[in-house]
Amino acid sequence: SYELTQPPSVSVSPGQTARITCSGDALPKKYAYWYQQRSGQAPVLVIYEDTKRPSGIPERFSGSSSGTKTTLTISGAQVEDEADYYCYSTDSGGDHNVFGGGTKLTVL
Amino acid sequence: QVQLVQSGSELKKPGASVRVSCKASGYNFPTYGVAWVRRAPGQGLQWMGWINTDTGNPTYAQGFTGRFVFSLDTSVSTAFLQISSLKAQDTALYYCARMVFASDYFDYWGQGTLVTVSS
Repeated sequence: SYELTQPPSVSVSPGQTARITCSGDALPKKYAYWYQQRSGQAPVLVIYEDTKRPSGIPERFSGSSSGTKTTLTISGAQVEDEADYYCYSTDSGGDHNVFGGGTKLTVL
Repeated sequence: QVQLVQSGSELKKPGASVRVSCKASGYNFPTYGVAWVRRAPGQGLQWMGWINTDTGNPTYAQGFTGRFVFSLDTSVSTAFLQISSLKAQDTALYYCARMVFASDYFDYWGQGTLVTVSS
């Protein structure tokens, strides 16, 4: 089955840039999406179609993609950005939708 | 505004069944799918599958066939997740989410329903 691989954790100080990566064989052909899940809350879409930011999401959130890796970048991370982040995509056939294992972002 | 409101927490015994509802409002229900996502304790998000709200056709992810059933009541813009023969391992938060056709991603989520399976 298809897998997306993320680092389990990333830690930065407030104001620093946080980068969370997601690797998958089909990412050169398929869009990736990023979800933020704060403790006790439902997930929120923060990046769609690799690089696009939904309305209401702060400009410090951005996405990029190169080859089999996609990256969520939070420029000037804030304490309120502390959350679990998940990438999401599908395999090359479009048959298996999957989430990455999630990355816990700590900002302190 | 778009809202997905789920039913409340459930406590069930092993072997029982549970049905979780997800009522949509603020948009034309048949124009977006409804997906189901699980988050078990200590684990990440897991895609369970989705239901096409236009045709009623469900698609189940690997590991969610047999005991899991997606259904609809389009007259009240509501989707349902039924789980039968519950096991302790089914204890989790279950989320519904609005799914964008063709792109297969979720733009709005319900608040989650906690299902606890315990004797």
